[in-house]
Amino acid sequence: KNQVEQSPQSLIILEGKNCTLQCNYTVSPFSNLRWYKQDTGRGPVSLTIMTFSENTKSNGRYTATLDADTKQSSLHITASQLSDSASYICGSTSGTYKYIFGTGTRLKVLA
Amino acid sequence: DTGVSQDPRHKITKRGQNVTFRCDPISEHNRLYWYRQTLGQGPEFLTYFQNEAQLEKSRLLSDRFSAERPKGSFSTLEIQRTEQGDSAMYLCASSLDSRAEAFFGQGTRLTVV
Repeated sequence: KNQVEQSPQSLIILEGKNCTLQCNYTVSPFSNLRWYKQDTGRGPVSLTIMTFSENTKSNGRYTATLDADTKQSSLHITASQLSDSASYICGSTSGTYKYIFGTGTRLKVLA
Repeated sequence: DTGVSQDPRHKITKRGQNVTFRCDPISEHNRLYWYRQTLGQGPEFLTYFQNEAQLEKSRLLSDRFSAERPKGSFSTLEIQRTEQGDSAMYLCASSLDSRAEAFFGQGTRLTVV
C-alpha cells in the first residue's frame, strides 16, 4: 500500500534553534518526494523536491535529505524563525504522478 | 495574481444541499488535481485531469461527488446532498505536466451544518 508517514506529529522549539522532521515513504514506483510548508488556512507551498538520485538539496535555511534505500527523507530547518511556524507536509508521487501526502508535522517556533 | 485560484474561499451549507467549487489553474497547466484535507491531516487525493480528461478518481470520491474540466481550463467540483463528513478544505493544484511541480490554490473550506 502506498503510504507516507511523518514524525513527529508536532514540535515546539525556541527561535534560533534547529530542528529535523522525518518522513518515511512506501510509494512504488517512486518518482520524487516533495516537502511542503502549509500555513494555517492556506494551501501548501513547495519547499524542495528530491528525485531518486539526489541525496541532499538545500533551499535557504531548509535542507532536505533522501535515502532511497531506507525510503526515508528528512527536512532540517536551521536557525528557526517565528515565521517557520506551520505544518510541514511530505508528499511522494506514485506511478501516475499524483502525490500521496503524510499527515504533516506541526511546528511551533516560540520567541 | 497568476497562481491557482479557488472560489469560494469559504462555504457554509446545510446538510443535504448541493455545493459547487471552482478552480482556475495556472494558465497552460495541463494537469489539474483535487485534494481534500481535514483538520490535522495531509491532503488526500480525490481526482485529477489531464487537459479535459478525468484520468483517475479516488475511492474517496463517492457518487455524490463529480468533477469536470470542460475545455481543459477551469474545473468544478460538485458535492450533492452534502453530509457533515464532507466538511473539509478542498484543495486544487495544477502542474505543467506529469513531472512538473504542482502548485496549490488557497483552498475552499466547506462547513456542513
